[in-house]
Amino acid sequence: NAGVTQTPKFQVLKTGQSMTLQCAQDMNHEYMSWYRQDPGMGLRLIHYSVGAGITDQGEVPNGYNVSRSTTEDFPLRLLSAAPSQTSVYFCASRNRGLNTEAFFGQGTRLTVV
Amino acid sequence: TQLLEQSPQFLSIQEGENLTVYCNSSSVFSSLQWYRQEPGEGPVLLVTVVTGGEVKKLKRLTFQFGDARKDSSLHITAAQPGDTGLYLCAGVPGGSEKLVFGKGTKLTVNP
Repeated sequence: NAGVTQTPKFQVLKTGQSMTLQCAQDMNHEYMSWYRQDPGMGLRLIHYSVGAGITDQGEVPNGYNVSRSTTEDFPLRLLSAAPSQTSVYFCASRNRGLNTEAFFGQGTRLTVV
Repeated sequence: TQLLEQSPQFLSIQEGENLTVYCNSSSVFSSLQWYRQEPGEGPVLLVTVVTGGEVKKLKRLTFQFGDARKDSSLHITAAQPGDTGLYLCAGVPGGSEKLVFGKGTKLTVNP
């Protein structure tokens, strides 16, 4: 049971570089989202998607892009990395609905130097 | 602006003690969820409370949803070192599809 798979697990970038964090789920969930977790800040929503071809902004979207071409995949792109984007990133998926359980990947620890 | 406010932010107690963690909002939620996260892992769902005034028990953990559906609490009886972790409350605000989280309570239970 793969669930939600994130790659890579660790990444170091130089300021100004771009990269894509990958997220894939095999549970046929319609809803996928990206969060960042910083010390003392909990999980803050970056972008989310309610289905293929549909994306929307969360609480902290600046500096990130997403697309959802398939139900399974929801990549997160950093356009020009900044030190403020140093964080742990989590991808999650769930069925649509107000009370459904969110399943998380194991996270990507990103450091921007 | 954080929709869900959790308190306390940090809690360090001795094995066997009881504790309560709070999750408060000025907004009404159709439901609230509690997740537990261990270092290096993603959060894992503990419980979902749906009805105002609802109480759910999971072994030594008791979850309550406020009557007005704006707050929730997590009570742990006779805490054990295995309860150590980050406890997060989460919910979908009215009229939204977004699942938002509080800042979390970092619990340490010392043997």
